[in-house]
Amino acid sequence: DAKTTQPTSMDCAEGRAANLPCNHSTISGNEYVYWYRQIHSQGPQYIIHGLKNNETNEMASLIITEDRKSSTLILPHATLRDTAVYYCIVKRYGSARQLTFGSGTQLTVLP
Amino acid sequence: DAGVIQSPRHEVTEMGQEVTLRCKPISGHNSLFWYRQTMMRGLELLIYFNNNVPIDDSGMPEDRFSAKMPNASFSTLKIQPSEPRDSAVYFCASSLIIPLKPGRQNYGYTFGSGTRLTVV
Repeated sequence: DAKTTQPTSMDCAEGRAANLPCNHSTISGNEYVYWYRQIHSQGPQYIIHGLKNNETNEMASLIITEDRKSSTLILPHATLRDTAVYYCIVKRYGSARQLTFGSGTQLTVLP
Repeated sequence: DAGVIQSPRHEVTEMGQEVTLRCKPISGHNSLFWYRQTMMRGLELLIYFNNNVPIDDSGMPEDRFSAKMPNASFSTLKIQPSEPRDSAVYFCASSLIIPLKPGRQNYGYTFGSGTRLTVV
């Protein structure tokens, strides 16, 4: 599976959009981009995933560049409860393979 | 759906004792994963099962660790004998993995709340 690079930490003002970047320049054609987050003392939580098209669900939007070498997770209106570590993971499609977690981005939403 | 259920939530044990962690995956999921999280090493995959069969146990630290999945609704992770360096939060996750098929996608993993193990 391709490796990912994320900033170590980011701050965001409450109510504003939080844009979390991820680089995955070695991604291959059959690999999806997954985003998870982990709120302190809880298990990781699935947010969203995509292949090449932009995706949106009730939690977030995922923007993947045309060359698929980077992506951005967007939380449209961040709240204090969104403070967490956000993990960007690239995983091969269609196989029972594990998620490999990197160090992620610590997002702190400020009041 | 109650989600992935792990027990116990907290376990404190003495070095040398046997520890058994338990996990009930989401009904209908065909894959189960055991992860360990520490400050130093982050989230590490220990082992995963597909259709109750262990697929990859290369992350299991050593022979003191063993995992079983006797049926689709239950799995255990056992440490015998336990050591202080085993202290960590252990997470179980389950997922529905669908083989490669046009138009079908794999879904996210659902994690349990974890078991915080302290070995003194």
